[in-house]
Amino acid sequence: DGGITQSPKYLFRKEGQNVTLSCEQNLNHDAMYWYRQDPGQGLRLIYYSQIVNDFQKGDIAEGYSVSREKKESFPLTVTSAQKNPTAFYLCASSIDARTPQETQYFGPGTRLLVL
Amino acid sequence: AQSVTQPDIHITVSEGASLELRCNYSYGATPYLFWYVQSPGQGLQLLLKYFSGDTLVQGIKGFEAEFKRSQSSFNLRKPSVHWSDAAEYFCAVGPPGGGADGLTFGKGTHLIIQP
Repeated sequence: DGGITQSPKYLFRKEGQNVTLSCEQNLNHDAMYWYRQDPGQGLRLIYYSQIVNDFQKGDIAEGYSVSREKKESFPLTVTSAQKNPTAFYLCASSIDARTPQETQYFGPGTRLLVL
Repeated sequence: AQSVTQPDIHITVSEGASLELRCNYSYGATPYLFWYVQSPGQGLQLLLKYFSGDTLVQGIKGFEAEFKRSQSSFNLRKPSVHWSDAAEYFCAVGPPGGGADGLTFGKGTHLIIQP
């Protein structure tokens, strides 16, 4: 089945630790996105990537980093510089980032908690 | 910058009753509009989208939405709700004039279904 997988489902971070969230898609989509969801805040864009080896900052990129070495993978690292990382993180992909009406398909999410 | 407002944080509807969820947008160009639904702890699923043509859009699960440019609105409707419709609903706007800036989401409306 085609889709987007995110792992782990739950992730715990200690103070000062970097953690990496995985996002994989087998939809052959060019574009991938990371959103952060906080209660009552909706979703906010962290980073997006239109193509392999290229990515752009979204609205709340500070304290996060990404890579796009393969078309199907777009991992997100939450660094120690992110002072309030507790949130639900959603990865999405779309066929072509240059076509704004293209549907974004979402993964099941990773919930990050700080110990 | 574009923005999306969902005025109702919570809505309670009796099973079998009709539903309307409000969405207003602020936009400087032709909008691309989306409605997504999210079950607790899950990713988002697209209900419907509008980018041109007929202003009344049909979606999945019996939902429809009407784009009204004069009112800057894209309200979601369903004639008769089912208990399984209880979820969080998000309205979103696509990037202006093309491009790949991700989606701008409203803060969501939590739908509660009374038996």
